[in-house]
Amino acid sequence: DIVMTQSPDSLAVSLGERATINCKSSQSLLFSSNNKNYLSWYQQKPGQPPRLLIYWASSRQSGVPDRFSGSGSGTDFTLTISSLQAEDVAVYYCQHHHGTPFTFGQGTKVEIK
Amino acid sequence: QVQLQESGPSLLKPSETLSLTCGVSGGSISGYYWSWIRQPPGKGLEWVGYISYIGNSKYNPSLKSRVTISLDRSNNQFSLNLNSVTAADAAVYFCARQQFGELSSFDYWGQGILITVSS
Repeated sequence: DIVMTQSPDSLAVSLGERATINCKSSQSLLFSSNNKNYLSWYQQKPGQPPRLLIYWASSRQSGVPDRFSGSGSGTDFTLTISSLQAEDVAVYYCQHHHGTPFTFGQGTKVEIK
Repeated sequence: QVQLQESGPSLLKPSETLSLTCGVSGGSISGYYWSWIRQPPGKGLEWVGYISYIGNSKYNPSLKSRVTISLDRSNNQFSLNLNSVTAADAAVYFCARQQFGELSSFDYWGQGILITVSS
């Protein structure tokens, strides 16, 4: 199975400041046939299902604010919140869909400093 | 707007079979892959398995011998059966749609159903 490791486990950021979450996979998530990285990011608030933010590592899902962006390729990926808002307090997960079983990172909890 | 809704018994005894259904509204079940994902209270997410619109299925090897996912096209729903449950199977179970086919992200999710396993 592909192991997904996120860092940090938690972070506290001031309102309006940048938040950066890293995700590392145990093997490359890049398909050379289509040059796509099979990596997604989700946001989960308490009592709610996860919400898809980013797919193919850097494509923003419809309706997601443009302060959320994804980058990276191969085995190293980053989710950036450019200017943290109060409603962004949540746990964030990366997930690979390079093959089965799909696996998720352990989650990163984002709080307001 | 596509909506998914999980349903089924929420309290099970050890060794019983978990049976859940995910009803899909606002869109057809055809053309997509459909997954079950679970989350133990306070913990992370685990993919359980998927079924395709033509009935092909794949499961997490950690559960493979106990899990079955089936499709009911006439009622636009799909189901999860997990047999011989233990306390380790207690979790919120989510159903979700895979956005672009077999190897793709989950774009629509149900609200989840909390499953408790207790004697």
